[in-house]
Amino acid sequence: GAVVSQHPSRVICKSGTSVKIECRSLDFQATTMFWYRQFPKQSLMLMATSNEGSKATYEQGVEKDKFLINHASLTLSTLTVTSAHPEDSSFYICSARGTGTYEQYFGPGTRLTVT
Amino acid sequence: AQSVTQLGSHVSVSEGALVLLRCNYSSSVPPYLFWYVQYPNQGLQLLLKYTSAATLVKGINGFEAEFKKSETSFHLTKPSAHMSDAAEYFCAVTDTGNQFYFGTGTSLTVIP
Repeated sequence: GAVVSQHPSRVICKSGTSVKIECRSLDFQATTMFWYRQFPKQSLMLMATSNEGSKATYEQGVEKDKFLINHASLTLSTLTVTSAHPEDSSFYICSARGTGTYEQYFGPGTRLTVT
Repeated sequence: AQSVTQLGSHVSVSEGALVLLRCNYSSSVPPYLFWYVQYPNQGLQLLLKYTSAATLVKGINGFEAEFKKSETSFHLTKPSAHMSDAAEYFCAVTDTGNQFYFGTGTSLTVIP
């Protein structure tokens, strides 16, 4: 149980284009989802927290107009990187948490490369 | 505020030797503590978690960790390292689940 998927696992896009990453909880309802960014050889950095049906809460320093997060249902959250630039290249990981639990379940990650 | 410190960004052990990865935390409230393993280009896999029950926690793949409140530590151990244990390991702490605080990670190398 408690499986989280991400799609795509890898994506390459050209500078200036937008790319959407999906995060799905497959066997539970995720009232809260989290988006992390991980640079090579570094730890995870929380970008934003989203609750179903509400606007996401972004961490300090994260551009909310650049990283658009939508959590429209209890099983799906999306991260859209708008007008991507090479410095946005990174490994993006989502996690999900159900109601009444403290534990986050992590997705397998998405490798974004902006050329 | 909470934080996690992982001592040793790189640890090397011989195959069959004891694995010890250190994690110290700071928390103003009783925490929940986790150890995750990450293989290259993959997400985080939960190894084990401490949830204020038993202080000695057993996880998957032969790993275990002991919560020591007096030392604010949650070190990860495995009696005998296997080649497949080579990976990045992260310690994390949370009090409510809203914010996970991750350590900087420890890269484990297993020498044949």
